Amino acid sequence: AQKITQTQPGMFVQEKEAVTLDCTYDTSDPSYGLFWYKQPSSGEMIFLIYQGSYDQQNATEGRYSLNFQKARKSANLVISASQLGDSAMYFCAMRTPGYSSASKIIFGSGTRLSIRP
Amino acid sequence: DVKVTQSSRYLVKRTGEKVFLECVQDMDHENMFWYRQDPGLGLRLIYFSYDVKMKEKGDIPEGYSVSREKKERFSLILESASTNQTSMYLCASNRRGFYGYTFGSGTRLTVV
Repeated sequence: AQKITQTQPGMFVQEKEAVTLDCTYDTSDPSYGLFWYKQPSSGEMIFLIYQGSYDQQNATEGRYSLNFQKARKSANLVISASQLGDSAMYFCAMRTPGYSSASKIIFGSGTRLSIRP
Repeated sequence: DVKVTQSSRYLVKRTGEKVFLECVQDMDHENMFWYRQDPGLGLRLIYFSYDVKMKEKGDIPEGYSVSREKKERFSLILESASTNQTSMYLCASNRRGFYGYTFGSGTRLTVV
């Protein structure tokens, strides 16, 4: 069965430090994709970064990078030089192969990141 | 600016009421999804639809039904609301063949 595991319910980090949010996944499908979403207190889900299972290089988007270790089935999010505005809930998610032409996404339980000034 | 709009931000309903949560997208997306979000559980898929009048059960469909009569609108229906359906409900959509979702801003439903 497909599953996403985030083992850190909450984290506190000093402003300007780098932070790593952990994510492990389980799937038997060779083709999958991994996402990270940010959810501020306002509630909207903001897409941060995507990594396909066949992508050779780790995905990067500005201050966000995804540390993809396929053999270990991990997809950790790294935020460099954290800012106060990074305080939010972060969800790791995985696209499962779709049937009926709809590819579903399953989510982990989330990590609440708090940045200290 | 493309968007997914959920009709209510906050909703309070009584046990046993029939509740409709509406979601509209203006991006001509084929696929639409309903999730509920609970602390410690993340987002769990209730139902999704890949075309007009087509629907598939997600991981937790019990107590819910859906309707998709038009491509842009996907409704979640609680036939008889119960207190354990108090939750944040998130609607999302994507285009067939594209993987990322666009989310609505959510409806926080309280059943009393």
